[in-house]
Order: sequence, then structure tokens, then C-alpha cells
Amino acid sequence: GESVGLHLPTLSVQEGDNSIINCAYSNSASDYFIWYKQESGKGPQFIIDIRSNMDKRQGQRVTVLLNKTVKHLSLQIAATQPGDSAVYFCAETVMDSSYKLIFGSGTRLLVRP
Amino acid sequence: DTEVTQTPKHLVMGMTNKKSLKCEQHMGHRAMYWYKQKAKKPPELMFVYSYEKLSINESVPSRFSPECPNSSLLNLHLHALQPEDSALYLCASSPYKGETRTDTQYFGPGTRLTVL
Repeated sequence: GESVGLHLPTLSVQEGDNSIINCAYSNSASDYFIWYKQESGKGPQFIIDIRSNMDKRQGQRVTVLLNKTVKHLSLQIAATQPGDSAVYFCAETVMDSSYKLIFGSGTRLLVRP
Repeated sequence: DTEVTQTPKHLVMGMTNKKSLKCEQHMGHRAMYWYKQKAKKPPELMFVYSYEKLSINESVPSRFSPECPNSSLLNLHLHALQPEDSALYLCASSPYKGETRTDTQYFGPGTRLTVL
């Protein structure tokens, strides 16, 4: 069935280091992917998105990489800061008439001072 | 501005109560969503409204009743809930670009619901 999953449930990094959060998806028909950041007690916050016709997209301190061959998505955060500590979800849209957003299980990022 | 607002922030209700959650956006988005999120889990889709019409109901129990009075407002009416319905209820909206399929959903802060 369709699923979006993450390899690591918790990632601990030193402040200033780069972080890489990975995500695997199983539906080859998915054409749009989003990364969300969710801080404790808050709703998911949009970080960056990527379409399936791209393999890389950069934002401010963040880069998303898409490898359609192996159905893999990653979020790279440069110079990780304490404020980056949160749960990160990848999500995909399903190619049908609905607007369902399929979420991965989430990765908690802990930034050590 | 990509702001979705939700009220109340917190709600405690008994199993016999009737309450409503409210969501509002003024971004001109034409699709609005309700999600339920349990602790340490991803959001789970409940309902989708597009152009004020219910387009998706993910087999949600009838004790949850959505309503979309206009393109900016989305309500979730609650009645006879169970303790296991306690969760964070998230509202989201998206532009609904039809065939382009790149429809980013923006989330509100959520309502933390506790059912006693």
C-alpha cells in the first residue's frame, strides 16, 4: 500500500553541524512532496516543497533532495540551530482526484548546545 | 501571510457535551481540511472541503460533524465524544489549484481537545 516513512525516529546533532533527515515513500505516482516542522504544542509549519520533475530545491539553510529511482526524500539543514529542534514530517500527495496529504511517521531533531 | 487561525486553543469537554471548533483563513484558499493528531504521531486526515463542499470524509464517526459556512470558515461540531477522541485537532487550508497538483497545505496551531 501507499506509505511514507522515515528511517530514523530521533536525530541528535551538535549545534552548528549539518542535519540530514531522510524519508522513504512507496507510491511512485506521487508528484509533490512537502517537509513540515512541528514544534511542541504547535501546528506543522511548511518548510520546503519539491515537485517530482525536480531532484533538488534549496531554501534558506534548507535543501530538499528527491531521488525518484529509489523513492527517497531528504531534508538537509545547514548550520543547525537550537531553534531547529522539532519533529520533522515529510508528506506526499497522491495522484488521484483527492487532495490527500500522506504523512511520514516523523523524525525528532534534537540540537545539542 | 500564510496564517490559519483556530479557536479555542484548548477545550475540555464531557462525553455528553456539544462543542464546536473553529478555523479561519483569509488567504483566499478554496480547500480546507480537518486533521486529528495524537501524541507522537503524524496528522491524520478527517475531512476535506473544496469550494465549500465536502469532498473527502475519511470514514470519520458521525459524532464529528464538519461545516463550511463560507470560503474562509471551517467548523467542526463535536457531540457525544469519547475519551479516545482526545487529541490535537488541526485545521489546514490550501489554494486548490485544480490540476496542477502542487497544493501546499498551511496548518493552524490546533485545538488541544480533552474529553473526560
